[in-house]
Amino acid sequence: GPKVLQIPSHQIIDMGQMVTLNCDPVSNHLYFYWYKQILGQQMEFLVNFYNGKVMEKSKLFKDQFSVERPDGSYFTLKIQPTALEDSAVYFCASSLRLGAAETLYFGSGTRLTVL
Amino acid sequence: QQQVRQSPQSLTVWEGETAILNCSYENSAFDYFPWYQQFPGEGPALLISILSVSNKKEDGRFTIFFNKREKKLSLHIADSQPGDSATYFCAASADNNRIFFGDGTQLVVKP
Repeated sequence: GPKVLQIPSHQIIDMGQMVTLNCDPVSNHLYFYWYKQILGQQMEFLVNFYNGKVMEKSKLFKDQFSVERPDGSYFTLKIQPTALEDSAVYFCASSLRLGAAETLYFGSGTRLTVL
Repeated sequence: QQQVRQSPQSLTVWEGETAILNCSYENSAFDYFPWYQQFPGEGPALLISILSVSNKKEDGRFTIFFNKREKKLSLHIADSQPGDSATYFCAASADNNRIFFGDGTQLVVKP
């Protein structure tokens, strides 16, 4: 089936540094998402993105977070500066359309460890 | 406030048994309920889903039973196989693509 690729699979950085998580969504998809998962538990919505703009973001999407997809390349999540509580697995997802019954395809996640 | 709740947190069944995973939700506006299956080290993958206009959805060994009045649903996995061992997330959404996930049920199927 359609694949969403995330690079890298694991990243370790020191608190206060900047980190960029990369996502290569399904090629013809138009809507992109980031979710945060802590300790293999609940997936929590961070943000969705369409046509170069953030459509909706949650309270977890702090001011230190930003997303972009320059020139149709990687969809990125940047955290600057990072904090200890940012340690989690971040999942990127994409969908072709927007709608309640639209299937989201998830990548395998990037495990971020902030020391 | 957690929008979607799941029980049990973990479940162990023997191969061949039916595993029953439960889910409940708060928001009456939710009308689409996907179940995602996640293996360790991987992202969640859509397993089966149901719209609120239906009370049952079947796909092979996987069946969703949905009770709109009680805001409850369950996933039944018939003839469970060791390969079904994974974490199962119940999720819900309304008329946009913001999906709310439950905490997941970790299923172990023993051979």
